[in-house]
Amino acid sequence: GEDVEQSLFLSVREGDSSVINCTYTDSSSTYLYWYKQEPGAGLQLLTYIFSNMDMKQDQRLTVLLNKKDKHLSLRIADTQTGDSAIYFCAESRTGGGNKLTFGTGTQLKVEL
Amino acid sequence: DVKVTQSSRYLVKRTGEKVFLECVQDMDHENMFWYRQDPGLGLRLIYFSYDVKMKEKGDIPEGYSVSREKKERFSLILESASTNQTSMYLCASTTTVGAYEQYFGPGTRLTVT
Repeated sequence: GEDVEQSLFLSVREGDSSVINCTYTDSSSTYLYWYKQEPGAGLQLLTYIFSNMDMKQDQRLTVLLNKKDKHLSLRIADTQTGDSAIYFCAESRTGGGNKLTFGTGTQLKVEL
Repeated sequence: DVKVTQSSRYLVKRTGEKVFLECVQDMDHENMFWYRQDPGLGLRLIYFSYDVKMKEKGDIPEGYSVSREKKERFSLILESASTNQTSMYLCASTTTVGAYEQYFGPGTRLTVT
């Protein structure tokens, strides 16, 4: 079946860059997404990339997509303590219905 | 701003009870979803609905049912709660066009004792 994988934890120092990685399985996914979940809250869309793009930049966020390896990454520049959260990657599913398959989530901890 | 609200933030129920989780969205979205979130497993889709009175099973529908009588409201029902249904439940909605951003509610943490 479909599987989206992420490492469970990442720890960085404030001011450093964070890179969160994700591998997905469905090569026909139209969009790939990064969601952020702060403690006690639901998920919030951070950014998304269309499958025919290799890179997308949005302020401190850079998304890289390697379709050949089915690898997606999210880079956060100048990481701040407010970036501490769980980050989920997700892929759109084939077969319609606007369904997404979510990864396991990466807990990012930013240390002073 | 899109708003998705869930009826309770925290809920404690006993084994065997019937449990209703309610979700309401205010953006006239066609599609609504129920997920459960467990540590190390991410989000897993329980059910979704693409129109009033329409529903489809997700990846883990066993032990759950849903109801969508009105476009803005999607209910998740645990017919007979069990301890392995202790989890965080998240509702989401999305429209049918565009990049399909899903808007999430704040979640309901359900504990079944």
